[in-house]
Amino acid sequence: GENVEQHPSTLSVQEGDSAVIKCTYSDSASNYFPWYKQELGKGPQLIIDIRSNVGEKKDQRIAVTLNKTAKHFSLHITETQPEDSAVYFCAATTDNYGQNFVFGPGTRLSVLP
Amino acid sequence: GAVVSQHPSWVICKSGTSVKIECRSLDFQATTMFWYRQFPKQSLMLMATSNEGSKATYEQGVEKDKFLINHASLTLSTLTVTSAHPEDSSFYICSASSVLESPLHFGNGTRLTVT
Repeated sequence: GENVEQHPSTLSVQEGDSAVIKCTYSDSASNYFPWYKQELGKGPQLIIDIRSNVGEKKDQRIAVTLNKTAKHFSLHITETQPEDSAVYFCAATTDNYGQNFVFGPGTRLSVLP
Repeated sequence: GAVVSQHPSWVICKSGTSVKIECRSLDFQATTMFWYRQFPKQSLMLMATSNEGSKATYEQGVEKDKFLINHASLTLSTLTVTSAHPEDSSFYICSASSVLESPLHFGNGTRLTVT
C-alpha cells in the first residue's frame, strides 16, 4: 500500500522568510496530492492540491511542486506570516474523491514574529 | 466552497455512556463520508468509510460495535461512541466527498473527553 513520509516534523522560520515542507510517496499509481493546514483545535483545511499531470501549481504565497519520477512533492510558503503557524499535512491518493487518502505524519510550522 | 459542519465541537461524558457526533455536508451531497480519529500531535487515522444508504466499512482494528456509523442521507452521517471509556477520549474528525465535489473536505472536529 501507499506510504507517505513528511519532513521536517517541526519547522521554525522568521516572519517574512520562506518555508518548505517535503513529502515522499511510495505508490507510483498515486495521482492526487493535496495539502491541508490544521490549526489548533480545528479540522484540516485544504490549502492547495496538485494532480499528477501537472508539475507545479501556485496560489498567491503558496505553491506545490511535484516530481513524479522521484515520487516527491513539496509545499512552498513565501513571505510567511504568523497566521501561517499551524500543522501541515500532505496526502497522496489514487482517488481524489476521498478514498484511499494516505496522510503524512504532519509538520508543525511556527512563524516567529 | 464546500462546507462540512460537525457537531458538537466538544463534549464531555461519563464513562459507560454513549455519545453521538453529527457530520453534515451543508452545500453539497456527500456520497461518501469518512471518520477519522486524531491523537495529540499525530496524523489522522481513518476509522471508517460510509456510503449513503449502506453499511460503513471499518478499518482494521476499529470496533464496529463500539463506533456505530450511520449515513442515512446524502448530507448527514453520525458516529456514536457506545459505552465510552476514558481511552476513547480523542479528537474525532469527519470528512465528506462526492463525485461532483472534489476534493475531500473536513469538518472542524469534535473533542471527546470521557471522565
